[in-house]
Amino acid sequence: QKEVEQNSGPLSVPEGAIASLNCTYSDRVSQSFFWYRQYSGKSPELIMSIYSNGDKEDGRFTAQLNKASQYVSLLIRDSQPSDSATYLCAVLPHTGGGNKLTFGTGTQLKVEL
Amino acid sequence: AAGVIQSPRHLIKEKRETATLKCYPIPRHDTVYWYQQGPGQDPQFLISFYEKMQSDKGSIPDRFSAQQFSDYHSELNMSSLELGDSALYFCASSHRQTQETQYFGPGTRLLVL
Repeated sequence: QKEVEQNSGPLSVPEGAIASLNCTYSDRVSQSFFWYRQYSGKSPELIMSIYSNGDKEDGRFTAQLNKASQYVSLLIRDSQPSDSATYLCAVLPHTGGGNKLTFGTGTQLKVEL
Repeated sequence: AAGVIQSPRHLIKEKRETATLKCYPIPRHDTVYWYQQGPGQDPQFLISFYEKMQSDKGSIPDRFSAQQFSDYHSELNMSSLELGDSALYFCASSHRQTQETQYFGPGTRLLVL
């Protein structure tokens, strides 16, 4: 079992709809959670970070964290064709310098016109 | 805003050759990370440095070595290259005070023939 699990998709949503991306993680001591967007052949681009239970909103993006359920999600409102990419969930076990990110395999999102 | 700089962006090598990848972190970032991403895979952590000292080690082959210099730039040295080393190599940087949020460089695409 991978430490960070995501549905690989593709997840297809119509333009203007809400896209919901989900991620579960296995290590209960994980402290920091990140969503990265990656276009094909490009580098991961940070979308959101979340550290506490609850919701965190930034523009059209909302990250949700539930540490008891070991679950983190990303909602994208008013989805645009430019949002079509692979979304990587990443988990950091604890703060303290030099710690590795563990990534899920990513969910491919397709926003259709 | 300044981003992580990586060079070269593309590299073609023959089997058994050596390669050196360079990474220049975001100014004032004190931690550098190296990741390898094979085709269709998620980024895999290789190694990280904090304040010029190795801080964490992942699935880095013994044929690879890395270091961080006094100006905080880092180099990944790869010897006896194999076909399976063909991948995207990303460098990321972070600052301890920002809860380890890692920002990725554009990557080096290495092709081993």
